[in-house]
Amino acid sequence: DVKVTQSSRYLVKRTGEKVFLECVQDMDHENMFWYRQDPGLGLRLIYFSYDVKMKEKGDIPEGYSVSREKKERFSLILESASTNQTSMYLCASSLSPRVTEAFFGQGTRLTVV
Amino acid sequence: AQKITQTQPGMFVQEKEAVTLDCTYDTSDPSYGLFWYKQPSSGEMIFLIYQGSYDQQNATEGRYSLNFQKARKSANLVISASQLGDSAMYFCAMREGRINQGGKLIFGQGTELSVKP
Repeated sequence: DVKVTQSSRYLVKRTGEKVFLECVQDMDHENMFWYRQDPGLGLRLIYFSYDVKMKEKGDIPEGYSVSREKKERFSLILESASTNQTSMYLCASSLSPRVTEAFFGQGTRLTVV
Repeated sequence: AQKITQTQPGMFVQEKEAVTLDCTYDTSDPSYGLFWYKQPSSGEMIFLIYQGSYDQQNATEGRYSLNFQKARKSANLVISASQLGDSAMYFCAMREGRINQGGKLIFGQGTELSVKP
């Protein structure tokens, strides 16, 4: 079974802190994605990556950056956390450029106080 | 501009009845894919069904079918014989083109389905 693992289920951080959310997949997938999920807004794409060291902006990249140094790991970085970044963060991965299925991690509930 | 639109924030259905969840999309790319995911209260995202833009027939997976109307740019999910365990949030998603050529995988706002006994 494909496994996508996010490093934390729950996180509480202070405003202004630098925050790292880690995601690891074990199926050699090329593509990895970071979304945030907010009620009424669905899942919004922050960044995605289709290869090591490659990254593309999604629809809401402001305030975030990403890193993909190894194929299996995709990190989301909040350079200076703000309260409006309190959200559920979901990582996903998929196999081919023409994605026909994406596999999700369990999510990280981030609260910025 | 919203590219995936789910206009039903919440839906109710009686157990054992069929229900249709609406999804419309917007893209100028001739090659795209459409997906439905289920998210129960536990939070996991469960893949349900996929339809490619060039697929001639509507996709079906057990009790799930995707009513693909290309000209109308709609990709509605039909759940037949609803069960209590179908109560969940449902997301429609679209992949434009190839991911490594600027395509994206984007989601709609979701529809919360409640199945009544």
